[in-house]
Amino acid sequence: DAGVIQSPRHEVTEMGQEVTLRCKPISGHDYLFWYRQTMMRGLELLIYFNNNVPIDDSGMPEDRFSAKMPNASFSTLKIQPSEPRDSAVYFCASRLRGLPQQYFGPGTRLTVT
Amino acid sequence: GDSVTQMEGPVTLSEEAFLTINCTYTATGYPSLFWYVQYPGEGLQLLLKATKADDKGSNKGFEATYRKETTSFHLEKGSVQVSDSAVYFCALSDHTGKLIFGQGTTLQVKP
Repeated sequence: DAGVIQSPRHEVTEMGQEVTLRCKPISGHDYLFWYRQTMMRGLELLIYFNNNVPIDDSGMPEDRFSAKMPNASFSTLKIQPSEPRDSAVYFCASRLRGLPQQYFGPGTRLTVT
Repeated sequence: GDSVTQMEGPVTLSEEAFLTINCTYTATGYPSLFWYVQYPGEGLQLLLKATKADDKGSNKGFEATYRKETTSFHLEKGSVQVSDSAVYFCALSDHTGKLIFGQGTTLQVKP
């Protein structure tokens, strides 16, 4: 079975540019989570969805960040405009209702110069 | 709020040594507990889990027992290999289903 798929794996962009990260959860999973990982702050939950509906976005750092889930098999995390402090690895994870464990994608390493 | 505390790293061991990585938690209710492993350049992989008190999770020679009385979930392995070098994260699942992670412990195993 395919795991969680993320694209791109690496993204290098200049400050001020728009960045879009993509995620395809495991088929049949009804929860989707976006995380950010940095050395300074560790793993942070940004937002999560249940059945394509955003449930908790309290971890989204500011209005420059937005996330959507237009259908059960696709989600995006957008940063506009990007800043150097957004440089991090962004992970997507999915979970099946009734089971507590989450399955992570390989991550997108974002570098903003 | 709920939280997870792991021992600070890095932990450096010789091959075949015994490994313990301590993890304690604070939570309301009865959370599920997890260990995830992250190899360099990769995402987090579920290593093992335990969903209720006294449960023992095990996988690939690693074990952890859910201890409600000491609110702990320490990770152990009897004989580590170089290939076990990675970052290990302890986590709990709170009442909303979100994962709360510890800060991670880096393990380095030398031949």
